[in-house]
Amino acid sequence: NAGVTQTPKFQVLKTGQSMTLQCAQDMNHNSMYWYRQDPGMGLRLIYYSASEGTTDKGEVPNGYNVSRLNKREFSLRLESAAPSQTSVYFCASSGVGEWFYGYTFGSGTRLTVV
Amino acid sequence: DQQVKQNSPSLSVQEGRISILNCDYTNSMFDYFLWYKKYPAEGPTFLISISSIKDKNEDGRFTVFLNKSAKHLSLHIVPSQPGDSAVYFCAASDGTSYGKLTFGQGTILTVHP
Repeated sequence: NAGVTQTPKFQVLKTGQSMTLQCAQDMNHNSMYWYRQDPGMGLRLIYYSASEGTTDKGEVPNGYNVSRLNKREFSLRLESAAPSQTSVYFCASSGVGEWFYGYTFGSGTRLTVV
Repeated sequence: DQQVKQNSPSLSVQEGRISILNCDYTNSMFDYFLWYKKYPAEGPTFLISISSIKDKNEDGRFTVFLNKSAKHLSLHIVPSQPGDSAVYFCAASDGTSYGKLTFGQGTILTVHP
């Protein structure tokens, strides 16, 4: 099915461990985004990529890095996980000028850092 | 500093009645507003949007109203159905920066049969 695929769906990490969250879209969208969802905070933008080869910080980038590997894939890396990074992470994409008609979101990665 | 606020964490409505979800914003640069719906264990899905040149936009049972002077928008669902039970997020953008959205905290809507 066309859309945004995130892997893994669940992950438990120990403090200090590293991991990469993967995201791929097959809609030929230019822009991709990483958000985190926390109770009472809504969704907050971590990083975004306006187009292949570019990335920019969002509202809460500290502790994260991203790579726009190609037009399809946008990964999020936690170099040294902290309990404060326990959250649900969503990747999203949109076409050029199409964000007003809504991003397409993946189903999320639930990350727990212990 | 929460630039987009949904002050009601939850709302309970009877099937067939109107659901009204509210959203306030503080950033006067926001010109575009969107509503998303989210079911458990799924990603948010787009519902409806409005730009600041309009004060109302309708799509079937869903209507969004925008009051720019009050920096307030609302989503009306008429009639409400049990399948509408979900978390609703409002989001806003200033129309630049490739569609970066600022989201509210979300409101849990429960529609009782």
